[in-house]
Amino acid sequence: DAKTTQPNSMESNEEEPVHLPCNHSTISGTDYIHWYRQLPSQGPEYVIHGLTSNVNNRMASLAIAEDRKSSTLILHRATLRDAAVYYCILRGYGGSQGNLIFGKGTKLSVKP
Amino acid sequence: KAGVTQTPRYLIKTRGQQVTLSCSPISGHRSVSWYQQTPGQGLQFLFEYFSETQRNKGNFPGRFSGRQFSNSRSEMNVSTLELGDSALYLCASRAGVVTEAFFGQGTRLTVV
Repeated sequence: DAKTTQPNSMESNEEEPVHLPCNHSTISGTDYIHWYRQLPSQGPEYVIHGLTSNVNNRMASLAIAEDRKSSTLILHRATLRDAAVYYCILRGYGGSQGNLIFGKGTKLSVKP
Repeated sequence: KAGVTQTPRYLIKTRGQQVTLSCSPISGHRSVSWYQQTPGQGLQFLFEYFSETQRNKGNFPGRFSGRQFSNSRSEMNVSTLELGDSALYLCASRAGVVTEAFFGQGTRLTVV
């Protein structure tokens, strides 16, 4: 499975935008980019996913580089509830498609 | 729509015992995956079941096993428990190949 690289931690102020980067230079053409987050004492929660085009949903936006070797998760206005570990994961077709390979993720702290 | 339900939420077992954890997926989801989360190793994939068949397996010893029933409910079993098996065990269900996974709250297993 292709690997992703994320910063260990980031800090943000409440109500400011947050850009969480992810590098995936070995991504293959059929790999989807998925983002999950894990709030304290909870199971991971799906945030967003995309293949080539930028994606928006009610939680966040996903900006994908033209060469697909990197992507950025954008939280438009951080709230205290957004403090969590954010995981960038590549998922493709094939035998291991059921797996989510979690890295260390980025621990986001949000200051009031 | 009810979410993924894991029972029990907390469990304390003694070394050498065995334990069975249960997961009820979201209605209509036929894929169920299990993950182990520890502070040292993070989130690691255990196995995935689809329509009662194990489709993928992570790198865990044979003491870890699972099964899925015809109603898609799944159980995982750990035999001959070791102290290192203390972890949060998470179950996730999916509707399709590249659709998002929905996680339960997990079962916190403590081995003493």
